[in-house]
Amino acid sequence: QQQVKQSPQSLIVQKGGISIINCAYENTAFDYFPWYQQFPGKGPALLIAIRPDVSEKKEGRFTISFNKSAKQFSLHIMDSQPGDSATYFCAASIDRGSTLGRLYFGRGTQLTVWP
Amino acid sequence: SQTIHQWPATLVQPVGSPLSLECTVEGTSNPNLYWYRQAAGRGLQLLFYSVGIGQISSEVPQNLSASRPQDRQFILSSKKLLLSDSGFYLCAWNIGGLAQHFGDGTRLSIL
Repeated sequence: QQQVKQSPQSLIVQKGGISIINCAYENTAFDYFPWYQQFPGKGPALLIAIRPDVSEKKEGRFTISFNKSAKQFSLHIMDSQPGDSATYFCAASIDRGSTLGRLYFGRGTQLTVWP
Repeated sequence: SQTIHQWPATLVQPVGSPLSLECTVEGTSNPNLYWYRQAAGRGLQLLFYSVGIGQISSEVPQNLSASRPQDRQFILSSKKLLLSDSGFYLCAWNIGGLAQHFGDGTRLSIL
């Protein structure tokens, strides 16, 4: 059973546009939600993360929106650039009170930004 | 600062041959360690994780095994590789429940 569901599978955006990737989860015990960016041939790199006690977190052009009641969270990339073309993964884990930080990943979204 | 090393970066092996992939972490103590496999254009499949020396948990029964002989060393092994073992293998670490940090992976091709 997929603990975190991610959509869309692929996304094509024009340079300067907004890229939006959505994720949903069922386990209300999750309390840490990171997003990863992966370029071909490289390991995923942490991009931005949020906890459920805030509804939004922004770092530069990247924003996470979090809706606790709907059990959904999304990544928004403003002013998308060709260099943002990569695969993006959302994830969730139980952090507080846990010694094992097992992450449950979405299946990934392949983003292509056209110049 | 913490760093994670994986080697080799690429590996081509014949079917039936053994495998040993190594991962080491520097700059931290008692990390949780993870092995993932990623098929081409696919998501991340957790294979093994370890919370301490000699403690290995398997997520997916298969042709692979893992060992943790030292605190910051994690090894992925196989006695006889299958064609289906091809993929991109990633090692990761974290402390507690916080974000995992990944190595740059090993591209394994089985011929």
